[in-house]
Amino acid sequence: DGGITQSPKYLFRKEGQNVTLSCEQNLNHDAMYWYRQDPGQGLRLIYYSQIVNDFQKGDIAEGYSVSREKKESFPLTVTSAQKNPTAFYLCASGPRYGGPTDTQYFGPGTRLTVL
Amino acid sequence: RKEVEQDPGPFNVPEGATVAFNCTYSNSASQSFFWYRQDCRKEPKLLMSVYSSGNEDGRFTAQLNRASQYISLLIRDSKLSDSATYLCVVSHWSLNAGGTSYGKLTFGQGTILTVHP
Repeated sequence: DGGITQSPKYLFRKEGQNVTLSCEQNLNHDAMYWYRQDPGQGLRLIYYSQIVNDFQKGDIAEGYSVSREKKESFPLTVTSAQKNPTAFYLCASGPRYGGPTDTQYFGPGTRLTVL
Repeated sequence: RKEVEQDPGPFNVPEGATVAFNCTYSNSASQSFFWYRQDCRKEPKLLMSVYSSGNEDGRFTAQLNRASQYISLLIRDSKLSDSATYLCVVSHWSLNAGGTSYGKLTFGQGTILTVHP
């Protein structure tokens, strides 16, 4: 089945810890994205990547880091510098380099809770 | 002012009702428009793109008014399974820090719909 997978589904982190969220896609998409969603708010862009070995900051990149070593994979690390990391994290991919007419398809998300 | 604004609702309607959602956007350079549906604690899924001439997909009709920067979604003959949050999404070219452009999606906060028996 083609699609986007994210793991884990639920993640609990202690304060001061770094954690890495996995995102894999087998849709052969070039563009990949990370968003966070907080209750009552729209999705906000953290990082995106249009091609392998390249990525750019989105609107709320502080306290996060990413890598794009393979086309299929775009892991997100939530560092201890992120002051309010509890949120629903969504990975998405798009079929081209990510123009404004391109739709994005979302993975099932990871729910991160800081204890 | 938010870039994309929706009435958060919630909308509570009986089965069979017609319900309309409205959305306004502030960036006049916006190029593409979408409605996504998000079920509770799940990921958003594309419901339909919105075209300038308006478009219909079964019980769902989307309209776009570029002059007023307004998008709407009409659901006819509501089903219990239509209960979800509906996200208005707008896309436009944006420049990153490195000076290259990409298509940026901006999401409204969503409108909650509950269809009851």
